[in-house]
Amino acid sequence: EPEVTQTPSHQVTQMGQEVILRCVPISNHLYFYWYRQILGQKVEFLVSFYNNEISEKSEIFDDQFSVERPDGSNFTLKIRSTKLEDSAMYFCARSTTPFGYEDYGYTFGSGTRLTVV
Amino acid sequence: GQQVMQIPQYQHVQEGEDFTTYCNSSTTLSNIQWYKQRPGGHPVFLIQLVKSGEVKKQKRLTFQFGEAKKNSSLHITATQTTDVGTYFCAGDTSNDYKLSFGAGTTVTVRA
Repeated sequence: EPEVTQTPSHQVTQMGQEVILRCVPISNHLYFYWYRQILGQKVEFLVSFYNNEISEKSEIFDDQFSVERPDGSNFTLKIRSTKLEDSAMYFCARSTTPFGYEDYGYTFGSGTRLTVV
Repeated sequence: GQQVMQIPQYQHVQEGEDFTTYCNSSTTLSNIQWYKQRPGGHPVFLIQLVKSGEVKKQKRLTFQFGEAKKNSSLHITATQTTDVGTYFCAGDTSNDYKLSFGAGTTVTVRA
């Protein structure tokens, strides 16, 4: 049973539509991350989130993307106007320390498969 | 940007044999982590190495961090069918809260 729950497990959306992917870390953690993995490819960093602020973001994380922790529990990734190339598995991760120090690493959720048609 | 390279991309192994996967960075890493992703699954943390020249073992898995902290390796002995999956290394240069993953080594095992 993953310690990070992601919903939905699969989302199909039409190009141009907005999607919100949700992540619920069971424990109380400070450091959150979103990664994506296009089918068969590497795990790509999108954004890190610490103390309710974005700490770092990649070139992929453009103005179409945003993250929030609206209620202090759920951690969301919003894609405002989806493109075909946004189709991927999106993973939420959390860590108790920056970069997952002290032998705990990152704990990944089971992912949301986003399909843009 | 920081690049973490992994070789080989694919590793086909006979059950019982050993193999090694390698991870190289163009810049010095403050730490290196290894993850395993089973087919259809999510990355699962295996281990973290922090010190130059560090070697850690987990049963049949041996992880090494290079002296210059620019490369790492994962060696698996006596491969089993449960070792099937993709092994990713991931590292960061320091203090940018951005753990970069290698492309992974996908391991298949012939029984």
